[in-house]
Amino acid sequence: KAGVTQTPRYLIKTRGQQVTLSCSPISGHRSVSWYQQTPGQGLQFLFEYFSETQRNKGNFPGRFSGRQFSNSRSEMNVSTLELGDSALYLCASSFNRHYGYTFGSGTRLTVV
Amino acid sequence: KNEVEQSPQNLTAQEGEFITINCSYSVGISALHWLQQHPGGGIVSLFMLSSGKKKHGRLIATINIQEKHSSLHITASHPRDSAVYICAVRSETSGSRLTFGEGTQLTVNP
Repeated sequence: KAGVTQTPRYLIKTRGQQVTLSCSPISGHRSVSWYQQTPGQGLQFLFEYFSETQRNKGNFPGRFSGRQFSNSRSEMNVSTLELGDSALYLCASSFNRHYGYTFGSGTRLTVV
Repeated sequence: KNEVEQSPQNLTAQEGEFITINCSYSVGISALHWLQQHPGGGIVSLFMLSSGKKKHGRLIATINIQEKHSSLHITASHPRDSAVYICAVRSETSGSRLTFGEGTQLTVNP
């Protein structure tokens, strides 16, 4: 069965722009979580969506937002990009919180 | 102090050696995950534990809930095991949110 698909794989944006990243979970998985990975801060939780509802949110500014569609696909949006937003953004899907997670390959965002 | 601490940060081994990576955490947890990340970024989930021990091939993961400690063991290590190994916990109070350790960079030389 297909894994978790993240698009695009690589992205270069300019400061002040906004960006939208996409995550398609494994079929049947209703939970999608997003994470940011940077060399300085490591992996940090952004938010989790379950059945189109945000169930949990990490400590990130309001510029970071997300949503989930009825087919469980999720998008995250970062507005007014800053240099510090350069990172690998990973999503993971799960059937529910009591099962393990399957991660996507990530989107590497570079802000210049 | 981080909620999740791993040791060592870096580990170099010769092919065939037995490897242990440790993870200590400071909060009550509902589950602990061991993850593997290769260059390029992709993460593979190796184990999810809430008690006891799990084994998959040459990998063994153990957890001691009372001591708030988990170990990941690799038997008969191989150069293809070279990767970053990350411990992550889901606390009892944080729902689905994972908190991550800083990772252990493992290099296995032939």
